[in-house]
Amino acid sequence: EVQLVESGGGWVQPGRSLRLSCAASGFTFDDFAMHWVRQPPGKGLEWVSIISWNSGSIAYADSVKGRFTISRDNARNSLYLQMNSLRPEDTAFYYCAKDIGGSLFTYWGQGTLVTVSS
Amino acid sequence: QTVVTQEPSLTVSPGGTVTLTCSSSSGAVASGYYPNWFQQKPGQAPRALIFGITNKHSWTPARFSGSLLGGKAALTLSGALPEDEAVYYCLLYFGGTYVFGTGTKVTVL
Repeated sequence: EVQLVESGGGWVQPGRSLRLSCAASGFTFDDFAMHWVRQPPGKGLEWVSIISWNSGSIAYADSVKGRFTISRDNARNSLYLQMNSLRPEDTAFYYCAKDIGGSLFTYWGQGTLVTVSS
Repeated sequence: QTVVTQEPSLTVSPGGTVTLTCSSSSGAVASGYYPNWFQQKPGQAPRALIFGITNKHSWTPARFSGSLLGGKAALTLSGALPEDEAVYYCLLYFGGTYVFGTGTKVTVL
């Protein structure tokens, strides 16, 4: 059974940093690209970033480019999102998700809430 | 920045049929945008329903179907059940980046 479990969310002041983690199990982690998606409370979904299976290809949404860094550790079956220079508008639930073949964002974690506020 | 637009809300009677659409500010939605559809209920993560325009997952109820309709991606729910009440999001792929639609709240009433 595919399981994705996010952690690392919490409250942080504007301008500070936070690192999210996503622990994966139930599949061969290093076979698949992985995504981060976020959702402000009560609002819609926004794609944040993707990293290929070997970290050779990475892309970001314009809203986070230059501030967020996606990475992965295939030996630890883990995905990360380093978030720097956080802004109040970064407040959201952050989900990790994986594709399967031609199906995008097939599996999702339960999400972790990041609150950026002074 | 491409905007992907959906109807904000739709209401369907139990047993009825409703069609949700997904349009792109960059033009007609085509197969190359690889439309996907997701269902999200309150307090839950999104759940994948449809991929590649028409393909269903093993867990997708048969009453859901996907298509292209008049330059838009479409999700049709036939024979709505109370448990189908949720927000539905489409997703389009733009060659390396991904854009979710604005979401449609479906009420079964």
